[in-house]
Amino acid sequence: EVQLLESGGGLVQPGGSLRLSCAASGFTFSNYAMSWVRQAPGKGLEWVSTIGGNAGYTAYADSVKGRFTISRDNSKSTLFLQMNSLRAEDTAVYYCAQYLRSHDYWGQGTLVTVSS
Amino acid sequence: DIVMTQTPLSSPVTLGQPATISCRSSQSLVHSDGNTYLSWLQQRPGQPPRLLIQKISNRFSGVPDRFSGSGAGTDFTLKISRVEAEDVGVYYCMQGTQFPLTFGQGTKVEIK
Repeated sequence: EVQLLESGGGLVQPGGSLRLSCAASGFTFSNYAMSWVRQAPGKGLEWVSTIGGNAGYTAYADSVKGRFTISRDNSKSTLFLQMNSLRAEDTAVYYCAQYLRSHDYWGQGTLVTVSS
Repeated sequence: DIVMTQTPLSSPVTLGQPATISCRSSQSLVHSDGNTYLSWLQQRPGQPPRLLIQKISNRFSGVPDRFSGSGAGTDFTLKISRVEAEDVGVYYCMQGTQFPLTFGQGTKVEIK
């Protein structure tokens, strides 16, 4: 059974940093690209970033480019999202998802709140 | 960027009746490999999204056959043949043909 478990969310001040993690199990992690998708309170889904299975490529939404960095540790089946220079508009539930041109499996999400 | 536009944004439906959601992309979703990477997701209240349909019409594992997808090029449709109470939620289309990946605004399905 595929499982994705996000962690690392919390309350952070504007301009601060946070690192999200996503622990994966139930599939060969290195064979799959992975994405972060976020959802602001009461809003729709917004793609944030995707990384290839062997980290051979990364892609970012313009809204986070230069501030967020996606990475992975295939030896530990873990996906990361380093978020710097956080803004109020980054407040959202952040989901990790397995990506194969569609987002096949999703975690439960972790809430990031950017507020002073 | 490819813009995904869903209609309607809200769909009150009687139990047992069909529901149809449309999704239009601002440009063709046909990839250079010949596939069309249009998927549909369901998000029940308080839950993470769940994949229903991939590549226009392929139901994902465990998805009931009352859900079906169709379309081509820039126009796509999700149909629920007979709405059940557990189908209440928000439905999103998403294109995976090119980065940045983009979602539709979401369509809220509720029971009349």
